[in-house]
Amino acid sequence: EVHLVESGGTLVQPGGSLRLSCAASGFTFSSDDMHWVRQVPGKGLEWVSAIGNAGDTYYSVSVKGRFSIFRDNVNNSLFLQMNSLGVGDTAMYYCARDYSGYPDSWGQGTLVTVSS
Amino acid sequence: EVVLTQSPATLSLSPGETATLSCRASQSVDTALAWYQQKPGQAPRLLIFDASNRATGIPTRFSGSGSGTDFTLTIDNVEPQDFAVYYCQQRSDWPMYTFGQGTKLEIK
Repeated sequence: EVHLVESGGTLVQPGGSLRLSCAASGFTFSSDDMHWVRQVPGKGLEWVSAIGNAGDTYYSVSVKGRFSIFRDNVNNSLFLQMNSLGVGDTAMYYCARDYSGYPDSWGQGTLVTVSS
Repeated sequence: EVVLTQSPATLSLSPGETATLSCRASQSVDTALAWYQQKPGQAPRLLIFDASNRATGIPTRFSGSGSGTDFTLTIDNVEPQDFAVYYCQQRSDWPMYTFGQGTKLEIK
């Protein structure tokens, strides 16, 4: 069974940085593309970033240049390095496994709050 | 960017009725569209991919149809556990995935 557990979310000041982690199990992590998707509480879903199994990376316009996605295939972990955070980045952040181009299995999320 | 517009924003039905949810794309996405279900406090769950294919373990009362710019998610004989928010998502404009704003299916 696919299992994804996000961590690292917390309260951070505007302009600050944060690194999110996602521990994966139950599938061959190194073979799959992975995504980060976020959701402002009470609002809709926003795709943030993706990384291919070969390490190719992709970002939404809203985070490009500020966020970096990377992976550790030895330890089955996905990361999202977030810099220059603003109040608009406040959201629940989910990691998800890709299935044929769609975020398939999702973790339960980690909450990032950007506030002074 | 492909914009996905879902309608209605809220759909009020009684258990046993049929739910019809719509998703319209601002440009053709062929059949590269998925549907998700999200319940309060939970992560989204993939229901339908490539417009009409049910994901693993999804009951047959859920079906998807459409291509190009107009898509429909149909839930036959709505059950109490189906009341949730539903989102569509396109992967045609890779890597710029986008989601619709959601349709809330509520109990009438």
